[in-house]
Amino acid sequence: AQSVTQLGSHVSVSEGALVLLRCNYSSSVPPYLFWYVQYPNQGLQLLLKYTTGATLVKGINGFEAEFKKSETSFHLTKPSAHMSDAAEYFCAVRRSNYQLIWGAGTKLIIKP
Amino acid sequence: EAEVAQSPRYKITEKSQAVAFWCDPISGHATLYWYRQILGQGPELLVQFQDESVVDDSQLPKDRFSAERLKGVDSTLKIQPAELGDSAMYLCASSLSPDQRQDEQFFGPGTRLTVL
Repeated sequence: AQSVTQLGSHVSVSEGALVLLRCNYSSSVPPYLFWYVQYPNQGLQLLLKYTTGATLVKGINGFEAEFKKSETSFHLTKPSAHMSDAAEYFCAVRRSNYQLIWGAGTKLIIKP
Repeated sequence: EAEVAQSPRYKITEKSQAVAFWCDPISGHATLYWYRQILGQGPELLVQFQDESVVDDSQLPKDRFSAERLKGVDSTLKIQPAELGDSAMYLCASSLSPDQRQDEQFFGPGTRLTVL
């Protein structure tokens, strides 16, 4: 069975600091992995996705994630945090029937 | 830019009342999903449609929840009667096709339901 674990329900960083949000997955097949962002009282927006090919994936708003098969990880990073990055971030893995299995989410807090 | 529309954005109701949520997916999107998201958790799939047919409703509490997509376009999710535990965000998403190259899910803004 596939599953997603996001380490840390809340992550707090200072403005300008590195953002690192952790995601580990389990999958019996080559995974398709996604990161979505959700701003308060809004729907989810796709940040980036890994399907096949290059393991370093670049997304919107300066975010990127690296697929590491040996570590079963797909951590999300951004070199320099902005206040506008404050939101909740969800990692997801796609099942064979194309449905998504979601992590519990990590709330990113940006300190001025 | 095409978007998934949902209404209402917010709904407050008393327990035992009936509520209904509406979703209009992006034009041409064959696959439609309804999710429930409890505060502090990831989305939970309730029902998936392919055109007008239900593909998966295994997580839909069928004693009180129903969903339809009669013409394969917009969709309605109904709860009757509502219970306190139904308070959550209800999200609708659509994708072009259940195909690995076209399965990106686009989400609407959601309906925040509060049951008193």
